[in-house]
Amino acid sequence: DVKVTQSSRYLVKRTGEKVFLECVQDMDHENMFWYRQDPGLGLRLIYFSYDVKMKEKGDIPEGYSVSREKKERFSLILESASTNQTSMYLCASSNPTGKNEQFFGPGTRLTVL
Amino acid sequence: LAKTTQPISMDSYEGQEVNITCSHNNIATNDYITWYQQFPSQGPRFIIQGYKTKVTNEVASLFIPADRKSSTLSLPRVSLSDTAVYYCLVDPGNTGKLIFGQGTTLQVKP
Repeated sequence: DVKVTQSSRYLVKRTGEKVFLECVQDMDHENMFWYRQDPGLGLRLIYFSYDVKMKEKGDIPEGYSVSREKKERFSLILESASTNQTSMYLCASSNPTGKNEQFFGPGTRLTVL
Repeated sequence: LAKTTQPISMDSYEGQEVNITCSHNNIATNDYITWYQQFPSQGPRFIIQGYKTKVTNEVASLFIPADRKSSTLSLPRVSLSDTAVYYCLVDPGNTGKLIFGQGTTLQVKP
């Protein structure tokens, strides 16, 4: 069974802290994605990666960075967390062939105080 | 990526058929139409994809007219467990990127 896991379901951090959100997939997928989801705004793409050490900005990359050192792992980094980054963060992976189906993790609800 | 427009919310009752229509006027020749479903406190999951005419699987049917400027997701005989957000997306298939938008929140009542 395909699986995308995220390091935490709930996380509380303070303003200014450096925050790492980890995502791991076991499907040998080439593509990995980070989204945030906020009420009334749907899912918005932050960053994505087509391959190891490759990254591309999505629609809202400001305040975030990413790291992909291994194919199965994609990390989202908040260099200095702010209260407006309080949100649900969702990771996904996919293969670039076939129906381009994205498989999502359970999400991390991050609260920045 | 082509923009999609779908209703923000819909209500239905158990046992009814639910049709959610999505418009995508700027769809390109190579684009596929894809629908995802998201239950509360979970990530979205793929439910169906089509290019033209009709596609059916164990979860839903997808109807796409000849001009492909709209599509309709049909859920037969919904139950309370079908309460979810349904996203219509246009997928060019060559970038991996998807644009989810706000989706349609379907509330199924007893």
